Amino acid sequence: GAVVSQHPSRVICKSGTSVKIECRSLDFQATTMFWYRQFPKQSLMLMATSNEGSKATYEQGVEKDKFLINHASLTLSTLTVTSAHPEDSSFYICSARDGRGGAPGVNIQYFGAGTRLSVL
Amino acid sequence: LAKTTQPISMDSYEGQEVNITCSHNNIATNDYITWYQQFPSQGPRFIIQGYKTKVTNEVASLFIPADRKSSTLSLPRVSLSDTAVYYCLLWANQAGTALIFGKGTTLSVSS
Repeated sequence: GAVVSQHPSRVICKSGTSVKIECRSLDFQATTMFWYRQFPKQSLMLMATSNEGSKATYEQGVEKDKFLINHASLTLSTLTVTSAHPEDSSFYICSARDGRGGAPGVNIQYFGAGTRLSVL
Repeated sequence: LAKTTQPISMDSYEGQEVNITCSHNNIATNDYITWYQQFPSQGPRFIIQGYKTKVTNEVASLFIPADRKSSTLSLPRVSLSDTAVYYCLLWANQAGTALIFGKGTTLSVSS
């Protein structure tokens, strides 16, 4: 299947610093990518939809100034957690939809391996 | 708000067939039924997707009745490595639409 690469896999930072997470679609172009957050023992929660060449769409309750999303190309979206605090510690996962395969009109959404963010 | 309901947990033994049923009473005409598997500290992995009747791939089968108000993921002869969380999701066949996750089913396979 299609591959979505996410980097870094783990990051530890001090409170107040900013952290950038990259999400790349390796073998397909993705006009739309998605960012999720997952706390321990919980399900994935959609944070925002990243659109190539335009502003991201954030879910209710997600601070757009804190979680900066940039989707500058058809294969790369970045999530920057600005001025990170301990409560931002979580598992962040990106995904992208590959529209090439499957039945006509059916797309498959592929996920990155995730980034474990720990803010001290 | 998740549009699907599935058991919180299931237990099985190696070599058995596991069937996980998902209810989606309010499924829309353009919704596809999609199942994902997630291991701890990893991103979800696509298992199977269908619209109606039965879909089979090398990993699993998906059974969807005619009314599409439920679906059943069938995992043949599970092994210990199938211990994971399984998510049943509906996806509207529209570009730019994200998957919304519910709680999922935690499957525990024992020897």
